[in-house]
Amino acid sequence: EAGVVQSPRYKIIEKKQPVAFWCNPISGHNTLYWYRQNLGQGPELLIRYENEEAVDDSQLPKDRFSAERLKGVDSTLKIQPAELGDSAVYLCASSLGRTGDGYTFGSGTRLTVV
Amino acid sequence: AQSVTQPDIHITVSEGASLELRCNYSYGATPYLFWYVQSPGQGLQLLLKYFSGDTLVQGIKGFEAEFKRSQSSFNLRKPSVHWSDAAEYFCAVVSYNNNDMRFGAGTRLTVKP
Repeated sequence: EAGVVQSPRYKIIEKKQPVAFWCNPISGHNTLYWYRQNLGQGPELLIRYENEEAVDDSQLPKDRFSAERLKGVDSTLKIQPAELGDSAVYLCASSLGRTGDGYTFGSGTRLTVV
Repeated sequence: AQSVTQPDIHITVSEGASLELRCNYSYGATPYLFWYVQSPGQGLQLLLKYFSGDTLVQGIKGFEAEFKRSQSSFNLRKPSVHWSDAAEYFCAVVSYNNNDMRFGAGTRLTVKP
């Protein structure tokens, strides 16, 4: 079974430029998460999808971040415009949606804003 | 407020020595509990999880964790550490009323030869 696939693995952009990250969850997992992990810290939840509906986006900086999950499968996280403080690893995870099932994480996208 | 605390930012142990990483949580009810490991540049790998039942949980790579309700703790242990265990370890919780996983700040493990 393929795991959670994320691309790209690495991205370097100049500040004020846009950037997008893509996530393909495990087949059949209806819940999808985006996390941000700053250097030396634990991951922090940005947004959670149940199928195609964003059910928890309270931690998503909506002035510059946006996300979508078309058809309840793949998801894209976008930042526009990027700021220096956005440099981090962006992790995608998916689960069957039942509390406590645990998640499967992708390898992440390491974003560097210069 | 709900929180997950890993008191130790960095731990160094000698290869072959025993290991214990601490995790404390503050939730209204006992949440689901997890330990993940992250090697440099890699994603998060699940070591073990606790939902209910036996308070001593066995995981992969020889790790185990013990849930102690009275102490709100879920400490990770390994009897004999290998050099390949050097990594960042994260304790995480999921509460009963939602699916959101919250992480501690992590403990970085260094293994001395």
